[in-house]
Amino acid sequence: NAGVMQNPRHLVRRRGQEARLRCSPMKGHSHVYWYRQLPEEGLKFMVYLQKENIIDESGMPKERFSAEFPKEGPSILRIQQVVRGDSAAYFCASSPAPNYGYTFGSGTRLTVV
Amino acid sequence: KQEVTQIPAALSVPEGENLVLNCSFTDSAIYNLQWFRQDPGKGLTSLLLIQSSQREQTSGRLNASLDKSSGRSTLYIAASQPGDSATYLCAVRVDAGGTSYGKLTFGQGTILTVHP
Repeated sequence: NAGVMQNPRHLVRRRGQEARLRCSPMKGHSHVYWYRQLPEEGLKFMVYLQKENIIDESGMPKERFSAEFPKEGPSILRIQQVVRGDSAAYFCASSPAPNYGYTFGSGTRLTVV
Repeated sequence: KQEVTQIPAALSVPEGENLVLNCSFTDSAIYNLQWFRQDPGKGLTSLLLIQSSQREQTSGRLNASLDKSSGRSTLYIAASQPGDSATYLCAVRVDAGGTSYGKLTFGQGTILTVHP
């Protein structure tokens, strides 16, 4: 079991470009969560998805950010027209059910230049 | 709104000491509480998960307790080692039912340094 796989590990984008972050949950896990860790800040919830459904997106910025978890393939967090303030570590976690403990991936560190 | 606070923000101890990390939360209606470890530039490793009906969980040199009514949890590390140096994060899952119960609310973390 390879655990939660996130790629890329590091991503550099220029202002205005798009960033796509991928997360493959652990085998048998159908619940995926995205969190953001800004420099010198704690982890903040962004979005909770189950296969093909967004369950809770209360932590997602209203504009430029979107997430999906298709029937086949990894979950994608997409940031359009990135700005410097989007620079952060983005973590994905998965669980077999919402009341089970999470397993986190190693994160994607996004740097916007 | 659930808020999670961890004290102290940083802790430096000599190797071999027993130590306690504290976590408090404002809304006692939690489903469970999870302690994580984060190494610099790395992801989070789950250490212990305590369900709301439990009082404590143990794994090796780690023991976590939960007092749901007072909104507190402690992580006890016995015989600390330099390899324990990391940031320790406490996170609670709110028992709100519906769509909210999957979400974790994190504390800011305690940065632990164990020096030889």
